Amino acid sequence: DAGVIQSPRHEVTEMGQEVTLRCKPISGHDYLFWYRQTMMRGLELLIYFNNNVPIDDSGMPEDRFSAKMPNASFSTLKIQPSEPRDSAVYFCASSLYGSGNSPLHFGNGTRLTVT
Amino acid sequence: AQKVTQAQTEISVVEKEDVTLDCVYETRDTTYYLFWYKQPPSGELVFLIRRNSFDEQNEISGRYSWNFQKSTSSFNFTITASQVVDSAVYFCALSEARLGGYQKVTFGTGTKLQVIP
Repeated sequence: DAGVIQSPRHEVTEMGQEVTLRCKPISGHDYLFWYRQTMMRGLELLIYFNNNVPIDDSGMPEDRFSAKMPNASFSTLKIQPSEPRDSAVYFCASSLYGSGNSPLHFGNGTRLTVT
Repeated sequence: AQKVTQAQTEISVVEKEDVTLDCVYETRDTTYYLFWYKQPPSGELVFLIRRNSFDEQNEISGRYSWNFQKSTSSFNFTITASQVVDSAVYFCALSEARLGGYQKVTFGTGTKLQVIP
């Protein structure tokens, strides 16, 4: 089974540009998560979906961030307009269940650099 | 509120030495799950192990072993005969267990392990 697939692996963009990160979760997993990792703040949960429905977006830092999951096999995280402080590694993860015993399966991440 | 503390920021060992990564957690729940994840230099986060709060048996998987002690709220990870490929950042994580809905995972800040050849 393929794992969680994220694209692109690296993204370099200029401040003010729109950035779209993509994720394909593991087939059959009901939950999808977007995390951001920085040196200062560690791993932060931005938003998660259950059966394609956004459940909790309280971790999304600003209105510039938005996420969608149009179907069970695809999700996007969009930043518009991007700012240098958005530079981070963004991970997508999926899990089979939402209960605490279901481990997270992470993608390889997208390293975003905003200049 | 949940909290996971990994007091060791960075550890360096020489290859073949044993090394223990500490993890201390806080939770008000009696039922919870503990995890370890590995993040090698390539960047991906890899799930290593899950433990529930009712199972205090230590677990061994090859050179890896985990020591769960509820009395001290610790879930330590030992690598025996370390190898260069073990160099990574290791994260301990905690999730409560309740019926219904998603249970948020709290990650520690990670311990960077460097194994020197």
